[in-house]
Amino acid sequence: GAVVSQHPSRVICKSGTSVKIECRSLDFQATTMFWYRQFPKKSLMLMATSNEGSKATYEQGVEKDKFLINHASLTLSTLTVTSAHPEDSSFYICSARVLGLAKNIQYFGAGTRLSVL
Amino acid sequence: DAKTTQPPSMDCAEGRAANLPCNHSTISGNEYVYWYRQIHSQGPQYIIHGLKNNETNEMASLIITEDRKSSTLILPHATLRDTAVYYCIVRAISGNTGKLIFGQGTTLQVKP
Repeated sequence: GAVVSQHPSRVICKSGTSVKIECRSLDFQATTMFWYRQFPKKSLMLMATSNEGSKATYEQGVEKDKFLINHASLTLSTLTVTSAHPEDSSFYICSARVLGLAKNIQYFGAGTRLSVL
Repeated sequence: DAKTTQPPSMDCAEGRAANLPCNHSTISGNEYVYWYRQIHSQGPQYIIHGLKNNETNEMASLIITEDRKSSTLILPHATLRDTAVYYCIVRAISGNTGKLIFGQGTTLQVKP
């Protein structure tokens, strides 16, 4: 299947700093990528849909000024957690959608574990 | 997108077939059934999907009932590495934003 690379896999930061997470589609172009957040023992929660060349679409309750999404190319989307606080500590996962013959399948990155001290 | 119902947990003996059920009684005619799984601390992995015919690939088989109101994911020879949370998701293939909404899934524990 298609490969989605996510970086970094783990980050520890101090409260108040900003953290950028990258999501790359390695062997296909993705006009649409998705960002999820997952708390321990919980299911994935969709945060936003990242659209290449346009603004991201955020799910209800997700602060767009807190979680900045940029999708500047067909293979790269970034999520920046601004002014991170301990409650932002979570597992962040991106995915990219493969269209056409692949029947709208989404492929996921390995996730980024964010710990805010 | 149609709602799905899955048992919260299941056990399976290593080497035996794992049969994971999913109920999607409100599925629409243009909605497919997708299965993903998430091994602990990893991103989800696509397994298989289908519309109304049974499907098989190198990972699993998907059996969809004739009325399409339920389906079963079959792992023919479960191994310890198949221990994961399995998600059944129903959604249309086109005419939507493409986003996947994950439920609670079924935690499959494969035991030696």
